[in-house]
Amino acid sequence: QEQLVESGGGVVHPGGSLRISCVASGFSFRSYGMYWVRQAPGKGPEWLAFIRSGGIDIFYAPSVKGRFIISRDDSESRLFLEMNGLGPQDTATYHCARDSFYFGPDPWGPGTLVTVSS
Amino acid sequence: QSALTQPPSASGSPGQSVTISCTGSSSDVGVYDYVSWYQHHPGKAPKLIIYEVTKRPSGVSDRFSGSKSGNTASLTVSGLQTDDEADYYCSSHAGGNNFIIFGGGTKLTVL
Repeated sequence: QEQLVESGGGVVHPGGSLRISCVASGFSFRSYGMYWVRQAPGKGPEWLAFIRSGGIDIFYAPSVKGRFIISRDDSESRLFLEMNGLGPQDTATYHCARDSFYFGPDPWGPGTLVTVSS
Repeated sequence: QSALTQPPSASGSPGQSVTISCTGSSSDVGVYDYVSWYQHHPGKAPKLIIYEVTKRPSGVSDRFSGSKSGNTASLTVSGLQTDDEADYYCSSHAGGNNFIIFGGGTKLTVL
């Protein structure tokens, strides 16, 4: 069964940093591009970052470019998102998702909650 | 504010059909055939149900169908079932570095 599970969320102070991860199982992780997408309470999802298979090509949404870093460890089937300079607007559930179809991430993980609060 | 516009709610009775709209612009929905739809039961992982406007991933019921006209895409759920009650989101590629933009979501209630 193809599965993605995120971890590492929690409460962080404004201006702080956090690294979340996503472990993949049931498919050849190294063969796929991967997304990070977040969803703030009561809002629609927001695409954050994309990393192609092989990790050479990386793309960021303007809202996080320069603050967030996406990376991957194919040997451990893990995807990472390092988040810096966090603010209250970054409070959301963060999902990883596989690039299965053209701009149609699937499957998604259930997400990990990040709360930025003092 | 989300980039794509969806109605906040929709409803229908079991067995009926309901259509949810997703309005973008000539820079996204209107120009790219990369519209996707997702079903999200709260607390679970969102699930892709339509990609490239009309295609269904393996295992997704044919009660779900997608279409597009101009800058507006639509998701139709036919033969409504109680389990269809969920939040539905659309997305579209928007060119350049705008990999994916999403709608604000539609809460579907099965009466």
